[in-house]
Amino acid sequence: GAVVSQHPSRVICKSGTSVKIECRSLDFQATTMFWYRQFPKQSLMLMATSNEGSKATYEQGVEKDKFLINHASLTLSTLTVTSAHPEDSSFYICSASLQGYEQYFGPGTRLTVT
Amino acid sequence: SQQGEEDPQALSIQEGENATMNCSYKTSINNLQWYRQNSGRGLVHLILIRSNEREKHSGRLRVTLDTSKKSSSLLITASRAADTASYFCATASISGNTPLVFGKGTRLSVIA
Repeated sequence: GAVVSQHPSRVICKSGTSVKIECRSLDFQATTMFWYRQFPKQSLMLMATSNEGSKATYEQGVEKDKFLINHASLTLSTLTVTSAHPEDSSFYICSASLQGYEQYFGPGTRLTVT
Repeated sequence: SQQGEEDPQALSIQEGENATMNCSYKTSINNLQWYRQNSGRGLVHLILIRSNEREKHSGRLRVTLDTSKKSSSLLITASRAADTASYFCATASISGNTPLVFGKGTRLSVIA
């Protein structure tokens, strides 16, 4: 099946710094990638939809200036958490869409902001 | 926004017993998927059932879908301690290239 990778798998950063998370589709081209966030013991919540070559679409309540998404190629989308705060600590998961209805999830990135 | 609701939120059973988890959703779907997630780990895709299917099997898993009631169930037979995890249903809308919408999940504990 299609493989999606995320890097890094874990990151610890200090409050006020920025962190970049990469999502790559390894063996297919994904015109659309999705970014989800999951807080402890909760479900996945969609943050934004990322389309190659265009601006991301953010869900209500997600600050686009804080969570910068760049989908520069058909195999790479990045999420940058700017000026991170402890409340941004979460599990971030991306997925890549293949042929419309199929989505493949990355393994997730655990972000801890101290 | 989330549209799926899992029930129960938490389930604790003995090894060997069957575990049944239910999921309800609100809008028309193309398919419904079930995922497992071990604590602190990524998602593992279990099974996908399309809107025109009523039942699907995969090993010890049995999934049903009732589009008239907008509900699905996941049955794990002969549970094992290794089945301990959170289970989520996720729906794909009839429009392609849209995100999956996840339910709140059921935390299953299988006691050896």
